[in-house]
Amino acid sequence: DARVTQTPRHKVTEMGQEVTMRCQPILGHNTVFWYRQTMMQGLELLAYFRNRAPLDDSGMPKDRFSAEMPDATLATLKIQPSEPRDSAVYFCASSLGFEAFFGQGTRLTVV
Amino acid sequence: AQSVTQLDSHVSVSEGTPVLLRCNYSSSYSPSLFWYVQHPNKGLQLLLKYTSAATLVKGINGFEAEFKKSETSFHLTKPSAHMSDAAEYFCVVSGNTDKLIFGTGTRLQVFP
Repeated sequence: DARVTQTPRHKVTEMGQEVTMRCQPILGHNTVFWYRQTMMQGLELLAYFRNRAPLDDSGMPKDRFSAEMPDATLATLKIQPSEPRDSAVYFCASSLGFEAFFGQGTRLTVV
Repeated sequence: AQSVTQLDSHVSVSEGTPVLLRCNYSSSYSPSLFWYVQHPNKGLQLLLKYTSAATLVKGINGFEAEFKKSETSFHLTKPSAHMSDAAEYFCVVSGNTDKLIFGTGTRLQVFP
């Protein structure tokens, strides 16, 4: 049963700490998305990659966020330094074509 | 540019009655349109998709949606609501790229 796997599922960290979220896309999918979900803003696209190259990261605060795909089986989203306003659920999704499959999300709490 | 507007933030229905969740889209290109569902504390699951084939699209769990170009709409319907349908529903558009743009969501409540 192919699925997108995100780790960790939950993360509580102190303000100022570095946070790294990981995503394993479905094998063979060539497009990976990072979304952030909050009550106030809903689902926001942070960044997306095709064939490991970043296509659009305009939704991501550049000063503290970075997204990479070290290889085709791993996507990472880093926040350094983290702030309380970064508290949200971060979703990764992968696709091959138009249908995107979402992971279960990482619930981040920055205190 | 692409965007979607979900016209209702909350919809409440009684179990066994029809469901209508409304979505209007804007796209400079022939759009692909999707409905996703999110149950509490869960990820997002694709309900159905329109990608320029048949305008009436059938999805999982008895849901369907009709693409109406003249009205720029892609409303989601189900003939008879079930308690398990209570969730958040997102209308999504993608244009000439595969970037997915989400609507603000409609929370569906189903009363017994």
